[in-house]
Amino acid sequence: GAVVSQHPSRVICKSGTSVKIECRSLDFQATTMFWYRQFPKQSLMLMATSNEGSKATYEQGVEKDKFLINHASLTLSTLTVTSAHPEDSSFYICSAKTGTGAYEQYFGPGTRLTVT
Amino acid sequence: GNSVTQMEGPVTLSEEAFLTINCTYTATGYPSLFWYVQYPGEGLQLLLKATKADDKGSNKGFEATYRKETTSFHLEKGSVQVSDSAVYFCALSDLEGAGGTSYGKLTFGQGTILTVHP
Repeated sequence: GAVVSQHPSRVICKSGTSVKIECRSLDFQATTMFWYRQFPKQSLMLMATSNEGSKATYEQGVEKDKFLINHASLTLSTLTVTSAHPEDSSFYICSAKTGTGAYEQYFGPGTRLTVT
Repeated sequence: GNSVTQMEGPVTLSEEAFLTINCTYTATGYPSLFWYVQYPGEGLQLLLKATKADDKGSNKGFEATYRKETTSFHLEKGSVQVSDSAVYFCALSDLEGAGGTSYGKLTFGQGTILTVHP
C-alpha cells in the first residue's frame, strides 16, 4: 500500500513553454503533499507544501508564480512550471502523507524535466 | 532552523563489510528521525525511523538509534550486500515545530552514495 505515482516520468520541453507534472496517491487520501527538487548528486530541496483545498506554502526563495501548485483533491496535486528555462531542468519529486499527525511521507518516483 | 548533516561520500565497500553512515542533526523541537534510501532510477523509500530518544529503528539488517545527547542517528549494517548499493538520506521531521504548522516537513541531509562491490 501507500503508493504515489508521478506523471510524466520524463519530459523535454522548449524554453518558454509550461509543463505540468501530476502527483497522485493511488491507495490513500493525502491531506498534505510536498514538492521537492533534486539536483544531480545533491539532496532534496523542499519547494512547497500543499494541503488539499488551500493555497500552497512555498519555501523561501521559491517563486510561487513560476511553480504553480494545485492540490485539487485528496489524491492529486499538480506542479506547473511556467515559462520554463534551462535552469529549471531538474528532477522533481513529490511526496504525500495521510494527515498532519502522520510521520511518514510516501515518495513518488520523480519526474525528470529537461528544458532545451 | 532545522538541519541534518551526513558524512560525505561516496562510500565504497566490499560485500559483507560493516557499514556506518554518520548523521547528526539540529532541531528546535522534538523531531522524528528517518533514513531514506534511493535505489538507482527509483524514488525514495523509507528505510527506518525513530520517533523519540533512545528508540532504535531497524529494517533489512539496517539499524539506527536516536541519540538525543549527541544529536545523532547513525546508520549501521553488519554485512552489506551488492543490492544495498544506493543513495542514503538522513532526514528529520519536526511535527511540533512552528506551533504544529510544519505539516511534518522533512529536512534532508545531503545524501551518501554507497557502492558495494562483490
